[in-house]
Amino acid sequence: EPEVTQTPSHQVTQMGQEVILRCVPISNHLYFYWYRQILGQKVEFLVSFYNNEISEKSEIFDDQFSVERPDGSNFTLKIRSTKLEDSAMYFCASISRAVNTEAFFGQGTRLTVV
Amino acid sequence: KQEVTQIPAALSVPEGENLVLNCSFTDSAIYNLQWFRQDPGKGLTSLLLIQSSQREQTSGRLNASLDKSSGRSTLYIAASQPGDSATYLCAVPNSGYSTLTFGKGTMLLVSP
Repeated sequence: EPEVTQTPSHQVTQMGQEVILRCVPISNHLYFYWYRQILGQKVEFLVSFYNNEISEKSEIFDDQFSVERPDGSNFTLKIRSTKLEDSAMYFCASISRAVNTEAFFGQGTRLTVV
Repeated sequence: KQEVTQIPAALSVPEGENLVLNCSFTDSAIYNLQWFRQDPGKGLTSLLLIQSSQREQTSGRLNASLDKSSGRSTLYIAASQPGDSATYLCAVPNSGYSTLTFGKGTMLLVSP
């Protein structure tokens, strides 16, 4: 069964360092997302990406964040200068079309900023 | 702004019980509602997607219902098993590109 894959599963980084989280969405899907979940809190939307550009972003997604689809398969989230409060589980998701379709999530990357 | 609330926050039951998890949302103009399962420290596994035109959707021992007008959905789990222990999340799409708003989840523990 097709699945969304994320790497690494766990990343520890020092405050101020740049990190790149990687995702391979399901191959025929067109819409891609990043969400995050701080420990004990709700899953929150960060950004959506369609047709090689950001289609929507939340207030959380500030200038420290960027996304890219460098080739036909990968979808990345970069955090330029990590802060302690960026520690969270980051989930990638993809869907095949814009409405009335099931969202598939990856297993997540646990980011720990020390 | 869409708000999603799930009740109860936690539930502990003995194996074999039938149970109901509740989800409510404030903006009833939704296309669908999706239920997910999350095991501790793991990703989100989609369980059921129920379209706005449907009232119910079933998958195995799971049955989800949706009442758009009242802003409510329920997830019914029949004959619960210890393997059902997990956190159950409901999510609804916002307008535009189907970004999801999640509830905080119901943490379910099924004891043998």
